[in-house]
Amino acid sequence: DQQVKQNSPSLSVQEGRISILNCDYTNSMFDYFLWYKKYPAEGPTFLISISSIKDKNEDGRFTVFLNKSAKHLSLHIVPSQPGDSAVYFCAASSLSGGYQKVTFGTGTKLQVIP
Amino acid sequence: EAGVTQSPTHLIKTRGQQATLRCSPISGHTSVYWYQQALGLGLQFLLWYDEGEERNRGNFPPRFSGRQFPNYSSELNVNALELEDSALYLCASSPYFGTSIYNEQFFGPGTRLTVL
Repeated sequence: DQQVKQNSPSLSVQEGRISILNCDYTNSMFDYFLWYKKYPAEGPTFLISISSIKDKNEDGRFTVFLNKSAKHLSLHIVPSQPGDSAVYFCAASSLSGGYQKVTFGTGTKLQVIP
Repeated sequence: EAGVTQSPTHLIKTRGQQATLRCSPISGHTSVYWYQQALGLGLQFLLWYDEGEERNRGNFPPRFSGRQFPNYSSELNVNALELEDSALYLCASSPYFGTSIYNEQFFGPGTRLTVL
C-alpha cells in the first residue's frame, strides 16, 4: 500500500520556466512533509519541508504548497535551472508506535532543458 | 562536518550468500535509517535504529537484519541473498527521534548491491 504517491515518474521543463512536482498521500495522520533531491550516485539531500499546520512554505526558488483537504502537496521551482535536474522525492512523516516514521514516494525525475 | 558515510560503494554477491553493509552517521546523530531503492521503485524503508535499539522496521523479511553499535554506526545484514535484493541501499541519520517535528534525514551515498 503506497501511502505517498508521485504519479509522474518524469517531468521536462524549459530553463527559466516553472517546475511543478506533485505528491498525493492517503494517510491523514501525516503531520510533516519533506522534499528531497537526489542526483545520480549520491544520496538524497533535504530540500524543503512543511508542517501540516501550514499551507505554504517558501525558500528561495522553492515553494511547497500543502492542501490537506485534497491530501496533496506540490513543489514549485521558479525559475527552473539546469542544475535542478534530479530525482525529487516527496516524504511524509507521522507518529507510529510512539515514534516518527517517514514514508517516501517513488520519485519524479525532473529534467530542465537549457 | 563529515556527512554520512557508507561502505562498500559497490558489492557483488551470488545468490544464497550474505551481504554486510556499513554506515557511519553524522557525529552527534543517534538515529540511523536504512532504505532500499530498487530499480524503478522509490525509497523503501527497511530499518530504523536509535540508541542501539531497533525502533521500527519496514515490510521486509527477517533475513534483512541489522544492528547499531555504541558509537551509533550501523550494519545492515542481508542473508540468503536473492536476485531481487539487487538495489541501492541508502543509510540516513538524524539527530532526533520521537515527537520532534524535525524529521530531516541526512543520507549517505549508498551501497550498490548486485546479486548474481
